[in-house]
Amino acid sequence: SQQGEEDPQALSIQEGENATMNCSYKTSINNLQWYRQNSGRGLVHLILIRSNEREKHSGRLRVTLDTSKKSSSLLITASRAADTASYFCDFGNEKLTFGTGTRLTIIP
Amino acid sequence: DAEITQSPRHKITETGRQVTLACHQTWNHNNMFWYRQDLGHGLRLIHYSYGVQDTNKGEVSDGYSVSRSNTEDLPLTLESAASSQTSVYFCASSKGQATSFAFFGQGTRLTVV
Repeated sequence: SQQGEEDPQALSIQEGENATMNCSYKTSINNLQWYRQNSGRGLVHLILIRSNEREKHSGRLRVTLDTSKKSSSLLITASRAADTASYFCDFGNEKLTFGTGTRLTIIP
Repeated sequence: DAEITQSPRHKITETGRQVTLACHQTWNHNNMFWYRQDLGHGLRLIHYSYGVQDTNKGEVSDGYSVSRSNTEDLPLTLESAASSQTSVYFCASSKGQATSFAFFGQGTRLTVV
């Protein structure tokens, strides 16, 4: 059974625009992490946000966390073609539990 | 450099055969995981281990088994392969600390005919 999910399921934007995707979860968490998956490859870790943090930045990535709403968002600014991938949140603490992912397509 | 590797990368097998997928990590991580990925279902956890001799069932464990005899390896066995087990399988490992993140293998594409 799915304990959370990302939305939207798919997102297409023009290169240079910002992309925002969201993650909702149902359990309490210690931290939440975002991963990227390029087509056919394994997941790669992007960023971690702790439960006592509200916002975190890393390069063109900005993550927010609202524990009262049990949700997180990932913003990718100034998108590039290389950002085309699927994005997953992990809210499972030590158990690594993922949502269904957001498939992001950047149109050149 | 430390890494996590899966083998084989591609496998075709017949229904009813036993199949073992290998996962080997050199990170010295305590935690290891197996997932399957199918269109529309994201990553579903099959089995996981928090250390040697420890194994736990995930949400889709029926028809699969694992064993953890050392830190580096967590082989996944399909006891009697079924067409419903055609999928892409990913192995992952992590330190197991609250702020640790996971490293993933490149995946094994399994086709059961």
